[in-house]
Amino acid sequence: ETGVTQSPTHLIKTRGQQVTLRCSSQSGHNTVSWYQQALGQGPQFIFQYYREEENGRGNFPPRFSGLQFPNYSSELNVNALELDDSALYLCASSLGPGKANYGYTFGSGTRLTVV
Amino acid sequence: AQSVSQHNHHVILSEAASLELGCNYSYGGTVNLFWYVQYPGQHLQLLLKYFSGDPLVKGIKGFEAEFIKSKFSFNLRKPSVQWSDTAEYFCAVNGVSGGGADGLTFGKGTHLIIQP
Repeated sequence: ETGVTQSPTHLIKTRGQQVTLRCSSQSGHNTVSWYQQALGQGPQFIFQYYREEENGRGNFPPRFSGLQFPNYSSELNVNALELDDSALYLCASSLGPGKANYGYTFGSGTRLTVV
Repeated sequence: AQSVSQHNHHVILSEAASLELGCNYSYGGTVNLFWYVQYPGQHLQLLLKYFSGDPLVKGIKGFEAEFIKSKFSFNLRKPSVQWSDTAEYFCAVNGVSGGGADGLTFGKGTHLIIQP
């Protein structure tokens, strides 16, 4: 079975710009969640998508938005980039609501640097 | 709001030493508990998880963890570490009632270095 793949692996953007990160879920997984991992910190939950709808969100402002497509892949969009948005962005896929005990499969992440 | 606290940010051990990494969580309900490992340059990998039943769970690579509900703890253990266990270890929790929609709450991680 294929794992979670993310693209690009590295990205440099200028403050104020917009960025789109992409994620393909593991085969058989229909739910995708996104996390931000700042240097030296644990990942922080941004939001989760199930059936192409956002069904859970962490403490992130509206300029963080996402999409999920019929093939369960997902995008994370960040508008009006700030220096503090520099981080590793992780995508995780899972079996869906009510099955969180089965765990999450993580991708290798996208390293975003905002200058 | 749920939170996870990992007691040690950096741990240095010699090969063959025993390991215990502490994890405490705060959550007002039933939880699923996880330990993830991140080897240098690699993605997060699931070591083990607890969601019900026997509070002593065994994972990959000889790791185990014990859920103590009264202490809100889920400590990770390994009787004899190897140099290849050098990595970042994360404890994580999510609430059962939310169906997982509230995502995983992670601790800040423990950087484990095993000296040959």
